[in-house]
Amino acid sequence: DAGVTQSPTHLIKTRGQHVTLRCSPISGHKSVSWYQQVLGQGPQFIFQYYEKEERGRGNFPDRFSARQFPNYSSELNVNALLLGDSALYLCASSSGLATEQYFGPGTRLTVT
Amino acid sequence: SQKIEQNSEALNIQEGKTATLTCNYTNYSPAYLQWYRQDPGRGPVFLLLIRENEKEKRKERLKVTFDTTLKQSLFHITASQPADSATYLCASNSGNTPLVFGKGTRLSVIA
Repeated sequence: DAGVTQSPTHLIKTRGQHVTLRCSPISGHKSVSWYQQVLGQGPQFIFQYYEKEERGRGNFPDRFSARQFPNYSSELNVNALLLGDSALYLCASSSGLATEQYFGPGTRLTVT
Repeated sequence: SQKIEQNSEALNIQEGKTATLTCNYTNYSPAYLQWYRQDPGRGPVFLLLIRENEKEKRKERLKVTFDTTLKQSLFHITASQPADSATYLCASNSGNTPLVFGKGTRLSVIA
């Protein structure tokens, strides 16, 4: 069975640009969560979607938005990129809201 | 809000010994504590989940404990091997609250 997939794997953007990251969950999982991880820190929660509805939002500015599609895949959008947005962006899927999460390989975003 | 503290940034241990990693939570007792392994440049991999009403959970060479009095979880790897070298992350959540992660402990098992 395929695990969680994310695209692209690496991305370089300039300050002020916009970026879209994509995630496909494990088949049968209805929940997708997004995390930001900077070097030396644990993943920090950004959003959780369950059955296409936003079920949680972390302490991130409105420049960050996300959505979940009918096939449960998800997109994370970040507008007006700042240097501080450079990080590994992780997507995780789970069968429920409070169960163990299965992470994808991440998208490494570099903002210059 | 909940804070997860993994006080040891790094831990070096001899092959064959038991590695013990500590995770402390600061506020309310979470319903679940979870442990993940993360290799450099990769996403975390789920290892074990322990519920608030469970004292101990085991899986092969791994053991996790949950002490609500001490507000602490211990993660043990017995008969450690160089392949166990990685960063181990502790995380907590309760009901519908999002997963809160600690900074992780980098374990190095020396042959």
